[in-house]
Amino acid sequence: GQNIDQPTEMTATEGAIVQINCTYQTSGFNGLFWYQQHAGEAPTFLSYNVLDGLEEKGRFSSFLSRSKGYSYLLLKELQMKDSASYLCAVLDSNYQLIWGAGTKLIIKP
Amino acid sequence: DVKVTQSSRYLVKRTGEKVFLECVQDMDHENMFWYRQDPGLGLRLIYFSYDVKMKEKGDIPEGYSVSREKKERFSLILESASTNQTSMYLCASSPGTGAHVDTQYFGPGTRLTVL
Repeated sequence: GQNIDQPTEMTATEGAIVQINCTYQTSGFNGLFWYQQHAGEAPTFLSYNVLDGLEEKGRFSSFLSRSKGYSYLLLKELQMKDSASYLCAVLDSNYQLIWGAGTKLIIKP
Repeated sequence: DVKVTQSSRYLVKRTGEKVFLECVQDMDHENMFWYRQDPGLGLRLIYFSYDVKMKEKGDIPEGYSVSREKKERFSLILESASTNQTSMYLCASSPGTGAHVDTQYFGPGTRLTVL
């Protein structure tokens, strides 16, 4: 079967750095997405990785290792507004998105 | 900016009722999707559409149907609502560039409660 694993919940301190991991086992791979979802709101696109390596976008970076079936989202200089759920999703061989259950990130002052 | 709107934020229906959830996107996107989101589970695809009048079953189509008569509008229909269909329903659209890899844009969601 296809599976995406992420931690259910993480807690971090304002101003710190946090890394949210995502591991996947899917039938084929055509890229990995990270979305941010604030409580009661729509998911919004953060990043897309299809090649190995680190993609940096401001305070957020996303890393991919296809050989390990592993990605992480790195958030730097955490702000209270970063409190949200972070969803990992993999595009499989049929170009269907397989979604993880999401990681709820709690930021404390 | 892409805008995806859904007809209701909150909806309460009774078991056996027919329920219509409407979704409209304003960016001329080819692809539209309906998901449900439940605590502890990833987004689960109910149906999707790559073109007008075209529909494909997702992972959990049972108990649902869809309609896409116009490019900008994708409707989800619960023929006879049941309590296990209580959930958050999210609509999404994507450009459909032909390269298959395009970003999905989501509506704000409809929280449906079936009593």
